[in-house]
Amino acid sequence: QQQVKQSPQSLIVQKGGIPIINCAYENTAFDYFPWYQQFPGKGPALLIAIRPDVSEKKEGRFTISFNKSAKQFSLHIMDSQPGDSATYFCAASRAGANNLFFGTGTRLTVIP
Amino acid sequence: EPEVTQTPSHQVTQMGQEVILRCVPISNHLYFYWYRQILGQKVEFLVSFYNNEISEKSEIFDDQFSVERPDGSNFTLKIRSTKLEDSAMYFCASRENYGYTFGSGTRLTVV
Repeated sequence: QQQVKQSPQSLIVQKGGIPIINCAYENTAFDYFPWYQQFPGKGPALLIAIRPDVSEKKEGRFTISFNKSAKQFSLHIMDSQPGDSATYFCAASRAGANNLFFGTGTRLTVIP
Repeated sequence: EPEVTQTPSHQVTQMGQEVILRCVPISNHLYFYWYRQILGQKVEFLVSFYNNEISEKSEIFDDQFSVERPDGSNFTLKIRSTKLEDSAMYFCASRENYGYTFGSGTRLTVV
């Protein structure tokens, strides 16, 4: 059972563009929604995270939009750069639980 | 910045052999995890460890797997008799509150 569904699988944008990656979840007990960035040969690194009591969170060029009623959240990367080329994973976990449920990942390529 | 350290970075083993993957979590973190990522696929939860015992495990974490915190700093994952399908990147993670920190992983190749 796929707890967190992520799309698209891959994304190519020009430098300066705004890639958007979407995730959807089913379990309403989830209360923590992080995004991870992974470069080849490296572990996932926490990029930004949101709790369901806010609809948007911004850190630098990265913004999470959260729609609790639709059970969806998305990552926007403003003014994307070639160095942002990586695989991005959304994830979710619930209060008191131990593990993260990851989405299937989005491979982002930013063309110079 | 504190980091989670994993060794070795790459391990090649023959099918049926035992392997031990090692991790040094961040020192003040209390929760420890193993995840795996089969090439090109999503990151999957294996097991969590808290207060010197397993707190949760997935269906992937069968009798062939075990974890241990032998000396208060290292956190190990043992696979008793490796199968070809165990080939994957294995990530250790630790956390204090909600913030997980992942290591760079061990690439396990079973031949």
